[in-house]
Formats: sequence, C-alpha cells, structure tokens
Amino acid sequence: AQSVSQHNHHVILSEAASLELGCNYSYGGTVNLFWYVQYPGQHLQLLLKYFSGDPLVKGIKGFEAEFIKSKFSFNLRKPSVQWSDTAEYFCAVNANRNAGNMLTFGGGTRLMVKP
Amino acid sequence: DAGVIQSPRHEVTEMGQEVTLRCKPISGHNSLFWYRQTMMRGLELLIYFNNNVPIDDSGMPEDRFSAKMPNASFSTLKIQPSEPRDSAVYFCASRGLRTDTQYFGPGTRLTVL
Repeated sequence: AQSVSQHNHHVILSEAASLELGCNYSYGGTVNLFWYVQYPGQHLQLLLKYFSGDPLVKGIKGFEAEFIKSKFSFNLRKPSVQWSDTAEYFCAVNANRNAGNMLTFGGGTRLMVKP
Repeated sequence: DAGVIQSPRHEVTEMGQEVTLRCKPISGHNSLFWYRQTMMRGLELLIYFNNNVPIDDSGMPEDRFSAKMPNASFSTLKIQPSEPRDSAVYFCASRGLRTDTQYFGPGTRLTVL
C-alpha cells in the first residue's frame, strides 16, 4: 500500500525566510503528486501538482515543488514566505491509477509565519 | 462553477442523534470522496464513489456510518447513532473523468455533545 510521510509536523518561520517542506512517498511505480494548502478555517485547495514532464513544478503564490524519483520525494519550496502563508500543507499521492482514484495524504505540516 | 457544495457548514448535535451530511459535487465530475479530518488522525478517506457506485468503503469507521450517492449530483454521509468521538470536520471532494485533481468542498464541522 502506498504511504506518504511529511516529517515536519510544525514549522515556524519569520517573514522573508525560505521554506522547504519535506514529502516522501512509498510506491515504486508511476505516481501523480499533489500539494494542497488549508488556510485556517478553510477547505483544502490545490497548490500544485505533478503528473509528468519537468520535475520542477511551479504552483500558485510563488510555491514550487521538485519531484525526485530516486529519492521518492516531492518537497515543497518557497524562497520568501509571507505571513499570509500561515496554513497547513498536505502532500498527497495518487499511485496505481488503474486501481482507482484514491489519494493518500500525508499527515500535514502546520506552517506559522511570524510577521 | 460553484465548486463542491456541502451542507450544513456546522452541525451541533447530542450523542445518539442521527446526523446527515450532504454534498453536491462539481457538475460533470464522476468521482466523489468523503474525508474526515481530526487533530489526532489528520485527513482520512472514508469512502469514495465512481459513477455513483461505492468503490472503496474500507475507511468507514464502523457500521454507524453509511454513505449513499443516489445520483451524480448528490451524496449523503449518515451517522446513526452519533457519538462524541465522531466530532470532526467532514470534507467532500469530487474529481472529473479527465483529471487527477480532487476539488474539495468547504467541509461540515460536526460537534457531537
């Protein structure tokens, strides 16, 4: 069964600091990878996704993520965070597409950006 | 497009009562998912439907939980009887045939006293 690990449960940064959130998955085949963001009191919104092609994916609000197949990783990055980036971030994997449409989510990382 | 619509947005009920949560997926989407989010367990998939048919309900915690999708534009998640440990935010998401992206609704915050 596929699994997704987000090793950082809580991250606290000051504004303008650089961000990198780790995401590792366990599945040896073709995967689709996602990052979702959940702002306080809101629902999950898609930040970016990787299906194929360029392993460096750019998403909304200045976020990007790099798929490194050899490391089974899909880390999220942003060069300079803002207070408004305070949210919880979820990495998700859809593997073995022929088996269905299920996404497996990581446990989430709570990011707090201090003004 | 209005996105995924869920109702109610908030529900407060007493232990033992029946609770029904509702979801209207994005028009044209053929897959629908129910998730539960708690502080302790994070985001858990409860059940999902393809073309109104339940495909995987292994995440449903117990027989008190049931879900239906009578047509392509409506689904319900029912808890009967409800218990305090069912308190959580329940999200519905939908996905179209030609996309691998799930779109989430605003969630229903359930509190069982």
